[in-house]
Amino acid sequence: AQKVTQAQTEISVVEKEDVTLDCVYETRDTTYYLFWYKQPPSGELVFLIRRNSFDEQNEISGRYSWNFQKSTSSFNFTITASQVVDSAVYFCALSEAGSNDYKLSFGAGTTVTVRA
Amino acid sequence: DSGVTQTPKHLITATGQRVTLRCSPRSGDLSVYWYQQSLDQGLQFLIQYYNGEERAKGNILERFSAQQFPDLHSELNLSSLELGDSALYFCASSRLAGGPVDEQFFGPGTRLTVL
Repeated sequence: AQKVTQAQTEISVVEKEDVTLDCVYETRDTTYYLFWYKQPPSGELVFLIRRNSFDEQNEISGRYSWNFQKSTSSFNFTITASQVVDSAVYFCALSEAGSNDYKLSFGAGTTVTVRA
Repeated sequence: DSGVTQTPKHLITATGQRVTLRCSPRSGDLSVYWYQQSLDQGLQFLIQYYNGEERAKGNILERFSAQQFPDLHSELNLSSLELGDSALYFCASSRLAGGPVDEQFFGPGTRLTVL
């Protein structure tokens, strides 16, 4: 079963628009970790954020913000005032403490295209 | 730059062949993880080594094998290659065996094309 679902395959916006990427996860563990990674056209995976299951505080880092809601098993990511350099594939990932291996289970990714 | 290096960057080979992908973790990191990113399967975990020992196994085919050497670099061996093995192979490393603050740092990937 898919543990991380990113329902949006592609999102296209015009520069300066806000864009929100949805991530829904599934786990039976009470302790788990959620991540967002960015994969720009150059191909490398860039770590953006890690959240543990006990910390539901929203987080803001510059133009990026994250909304973690355990009640809906969601960990959404918003880019405010998007820029062309934000064009990339964004992956949400889950790591479950109960599995004892902490491997990352990735969603399918959302391709964000920001047009000038 | 994450500090994780992978060689080669690109690899083109034919079906039925065997290739070896190499990963050098960040200095001091004991764990190495291998992931495969393909159009069909997305990004998926293959295998983890910690301090030379296999720690966890994911969706790794029997035709694939990996090892971690005493100097902690790792190699992923892919044999009897098929067209569907064409993918971007990422290596990641972490300080420990995995855990709440044991962040994985990803290398730039090796793009394998099987013709």
